[in-house]
Amino acid sequence: KAGVTQTPRYLIKTRGQQVTLSCSPISGHRSVSWYQQTPGQGLQFLFEYFSETQRNKGNFPGRFSGRQFSNSRSEMNVSTLELGDSALYLCASSLGGFTDTQYFGPGTRLTVL
Amino acid sequence: AQSVTQPDIHITVSEGASLELRCNYSYGATPYLFWYVQSPGQGLQLLLKYFSGDTLVQGIKGFEAEFKRSQSSFNLRKPSVHWSDAAEYFCAVNQGGKLIFGQGTELSVKP
Repeated sequence: KAGVTQTPRYLIKTRGQQVTLSCSPISGHRSVSWYQQTPGQGLQFLFEYFSETQRNKGNFPGRFSGRQFSNSRSEMNVSTLELGDSALYLCASSLGGFTDTQYFGPGTRLTVL
Repeated sequence: AQSVTQPDIHITVSEGASLELRCNYSYGATPYLFWYVQSPGQGLQLLLKYFSGDTLVQGIKGFEAEFKRSQSSFNLRKPSVHWSDAAEYFCAVNQGGKLIFGQGTELSVKP
């Protein structure tokens, strides 16, 4: 079974731009979660989507948004990019139960100049 | 709020030596605990998980972890470290479907 895939793997943007990241979950998984990883803050939960609805949300500003499609693929959007948004963005998929194990993709490395 | 603490930011061990990475959590009920490993530039790979039952859990790559409720700990161990184990290790607790991670422990392996 194929793992979680994320595209693109690397992105370079400038301040003020917006960016969209994509995540395809493991086949059969209905939940997709997004995490931000930075050297200073570590791994932080952004949000989780299940059956096309945001089910859980972390403490990030409204510039960070996401959505999920009927095939469970998910996208994350960051508008008005700031230098501090430079990070590795990881998505994880699970079957959908709150205690189900999350399996991670390779991440998208975003650099904001 | 739940939290996870990994007291050691960086550990160096010799190849063939034993390894123990520490993890302490704060959580009111029975926690769902995980250890993940991350190689440079890669995502997180699940090593093992604890939900309930036997407090000693076995994972992949020869790793094991022991859940100790009295000490609020979930330490990761390996009897003999290989050079390929050099990576960053993260302990995490599941809080209602979202993972709360520790700051990570970077493991270096010297020949």
